Amino acid sequence: AQSVTQLGSHVSVSEGALVLLRCNYSSSVPPYLFWYVQYPNQGLQLLLKYTSAATLVKGINGFEAEFKKSETSFHLTKPSAHMSDAAEYFCAVSEERASGSRLTFGEGTQLTVNP
Amino acid sequence: EAEVAQSPRYKITEKSQAVAFWCDPISGHATLYWYRQILGQGPELLVQFQDESVVDDSQLPKDRFSAERLKGVDSTLKIQPAELGDSAMYLCASSLVGQGYNEQFFGPGTRLTVL
Repeated sequence: AQSVTQLGSHVSVSEGALVLLRCNYSSSVPPYLFWYVQYPNQGLQLLLKYTSAATLVKGINGFEAEFKKSETSFHLTKPSAHMSDAAEYFCAVSEERASGSRLTFGEGTQLTVNP
Repeated sequence: EAEVAQSPRYKITEKSQAVAFWCDPISGHATLYWYRQILGQGPELLVQFQDESVVDDSQLPKDRFSAERLKGVDSTLKIQPAELGDSAMYLCASSLVGQGYNEQFFGPGTRLTVL
């Protein structure tokens, strides 16, 4: 079974600083990988996805992630944090089955942005 | 912009009572998912529908949970009887088809509190 590990359940940065959220996956086949963001008491919104095209994926709100097969990683970055980036971030891997795909999520990383 | 609708947004119930959640996916989306998200964790798939058929309910506690999507459009998730451990956010998502590269669009969720 595929799995996702997010290193650091809480990350705190200053406004304007680099954001780096770490995600490592395990998969026996080339994966589809996703980053979602969740604001309090809301559903999940897709930030970006990797589907075996370019290894550097650009998403919404200035976020990007790089797929590194050798490291089995898909870390999320943003050059300059904004107060509005404070939220919970989830990395997910898609597992293909005969019945269709299934997303497996990491435990999440809570991002705090300090003024 | 098309969205996944869920109701109610919040539900408080006493243990042993029955509760039901409703989801209306984005029009034209054949695949519908119900997830449970315990506070501080990532979402976990409960059940997946392709049109009106269940394609994955391996993680659904079938002694108390049931789900249906009778006409292949909207869906209902029911818990009877509710237990204290069922307190969580219940998220509905939909996608065009159940392939891994397709984005899942999430609704705002129903926050269930069991007293």
